[in-house]
Amino acid sequence: DAGVTQSPTHLIKTRGQQVTLRCSPKSGHDTVSWYQQALGQGPQFIFQYYEEEERQRGNFPDRFSGHQFPNYSSELNVNALLLGDSALYLCASSLELTETTDTQYFGPGTRLTVL
Amino acid sequence: QKEVEQNSGPLSVPEGAIASLNCTYSDRGSQSFFWYRQYSGKSPELIMFIYSNGDKEDGRFTAQLNKASQYVSLLIRDSQPSDSATYLCAVNEDSSYKLIFGSGTRLLVRP
Repeated sequence: DAGVTQSPTHLIKTRGQQVTLRCSPKSGHDTVSWYQQALGQGPQFIFQYYEEEERQRGNFPDRFSGHQFPNYSSELNVNALLLGDSALYLCASSLELTETTDTQYFGPGTRLTVL
Repeated sequence: QKEVEQNSGPLSVPEGAIASLNCTYSDRGSQSFFWYRQYSGKSPELIMFIYSNGDKEDGRFTAQLNKASQYVSLLIRDSQPSDSATYLCAVNEDSSYKLIFGSGTRLLVRP
């Protein structure tokens, strides 16, 4: 049973650059959520994708955008990087059509450092 | 702003003891409650979820939910040094797909 995978594991960028992070959901899952986790904090919801549409967004600026592909994999794009964007970016997958639709399983994360 | 509150700890218990971790939440409409374990430098791992008032047991773990008091707890019996980690409480936001997380409680199990 393949779990959630994310790439890359680590990334170092400079201010103003753009970054793309990738996620493949757990086998059989169709919904992908993205979270940002700063050091010492709990994950913060960025957005969720289902049926290739962004269906809910958290309190993040438009610099954060995403995409979901027909195979349910997803990308998170961040433009015009700021120092404050340095964090662990987590992808979580879930299955829509069950009682436990909001049971989310996390991938290993991408550690982004902005210099 | 809907919130989930946890004591940051660290909570230190001896090996073999019961560790009790607590969480309160502000959204009365929340229906789903989760505990995740996060080792340093790793991603959160789901260990328990609970939807109904009362207790739910899974191995050494028991989740307890009291919706009237807006309180969730996690008990870890026979604590082991390998249980040392940060435990994150998460709550679904009412009428939303979003999970709201607390900042976590750091647990240290002393050998």
